[in-house]
Amino acid sequence: KAGVTQTPRYLIKTRGQQVTLSCSPISGHRSVSWYQQTPGQGLQFLFEYFSETQRNKGNFPGRFSGRQFSNSRSEMNVSTLELGDSALYLCASSHGQGAGNTIYFGEGSWLTVV
Amino acid sequence: GDSVTQMEGPVTLSEEAFLTINCTYTATGYPSLFWYVQYPGEGLQLLLKATKADDKGSNKGFEATYRKETTSFHLEKGSVQVSDSAVYFCALSGSNYQLIWGAGTKLIIKP
Repeated sequence: KAGVTQTPRYLIKTRGQQVTLSCSPISGHRSVSWYQQTPGQGLQFLFEYFSETQRNKGNFPGRFSGRQFSNSRSEMNVSTLELGDSALYLCASSHGQGAGNTIYFGEGSWLTVV
Repeated sequence: GDSVTQMEGPVTLSEEAFLTINCTYTATGYPSLFWYVQYPGEGLQLLLKATKADDKGSNKGFEATYRKETTSFHLEKGSVQVSDSAVYFCALSGSNYQLIWGAGTKLIIKP
């Protein structure tokens, strides 16, 4: 069974540009969530989607957005990039919602903003 | 709100030493508790979990017991190896299913 797949793995963007990151969850998983990881702020929750609906959202500006497709694949977009957006963006999937659901992570997309 | 506090690192040990990484939490209700590990350059992997009080999660020689009375979920391993060097994250999943993370503890094992 394939794991969570994120593309691209590495990318460099210029301030002011926008970026789209893609995530394919484990087959059969309907919940996809996104996290930002930086050395200074640690792991921070961005948002979660379940069956194409955003269920939870973290405390990030509106420049950060996402969506989920009918096949559970998800994308996140960051517009008007800032230097501080440089981070590892992690996607995770789980079969459903609920406290006992195990969440599986992809290897992440490393974004560098210059 | 919910929160997780784990001991600051880095923690440096010699091979075969006993490991404890402390984790305490604040949460309403009955959260599930997790330990994730992140090896250099990789994403996060679930190490173990516990979903109710007194549950013991275990995997790869690591153990952690869900202690509701002390709101703790300390990670332990009896004999660490160089390959255990990584960053370890304690996390909880609360009523809104969102994972709340500790800051992570970097573990360095010297041969």
